Amino acid sequence: NAGVTQTPKFQVLKTGQSMTLQCAQDMNHEYMSWYRQDPGMGLRLIHYSVGAGITDQGEVPNGYNVSRSTTEDFPLRLLSAAPSQTSVYFCASSYSGRTGAAYGYTFGSGTRLTVV
Amino acid sequence: AQKVTQAQTEISVVEKEDVTLDCVYETRDTTYYLFWYKQPPSGELVFLIRRNSFDEQNEISGRYSWNFQKSTSSFNFTITASQVVDSAVYFCALPHRDDKIIFGKGTRLHILP
Repeated sequence: NAGVTQTPKFQVLKTGQSMTLQCAQDMNHEYMSWYRQDPGMGLRLIHYSVGAGITDQGEVPNGYNVSRSTTEDFPLRLLSAAPSQTSVYFCASSYSGRTGAAYGYTFGSGTRLTVV
Repeated sequence: AQKVTQAQTEISVVEKEDVTLDCVYETRDTTYYLFWYKQPPSGELVFLIRRNSFDEQNEISGRYSWNFQKSTSSFNFTITASQVVDSAVYFCALPHRDDKIIFGKGTRLHILP
């Protein structure tokens, strides 16, 4: 099915380990983003991209890296995992700009990450 | 600055009661969109509605209705005759012109049988 695919769905890491959360979409959307969801904090933007080769920081970028080498993929890298990064991570995609706002955003099913 | 405020952290109502979830927003954009999303216990984010700032008419979809008032910067969501399946976290969201989506912190709704 077309949409946003996130892998893995669950992950447990030890403090200091690194890993990459994968996000792929097949809708030819220019815009992709990563959010983290924590209790009482809603969804907070980590990084986003308005097209291949272009990325920018969101509200809570520290400890995370992203790259956008293709339109389809937008991986999120945790360089050295910390317990504070325990969260649920969502990837989203849309058409860019006003078109994206007009047509809405598609979210992946989420990755639940626990750092011990 | 863009901001979305959902002042109600958690609400509990008995099944069949009506309930309204509040959303107040701030934006400097002259035209904008507003969204509501539902997050059921399974965890996925489900799109409910999109509203353009040009259109201030209220919208009704079955038991759901939305009251958009530009004068008070509010976009409230009412569930009529609530059901247990409506139990979820509900988010109000405001897309910004540079493609960022600003979410409120969400309202957790409990519908008690």
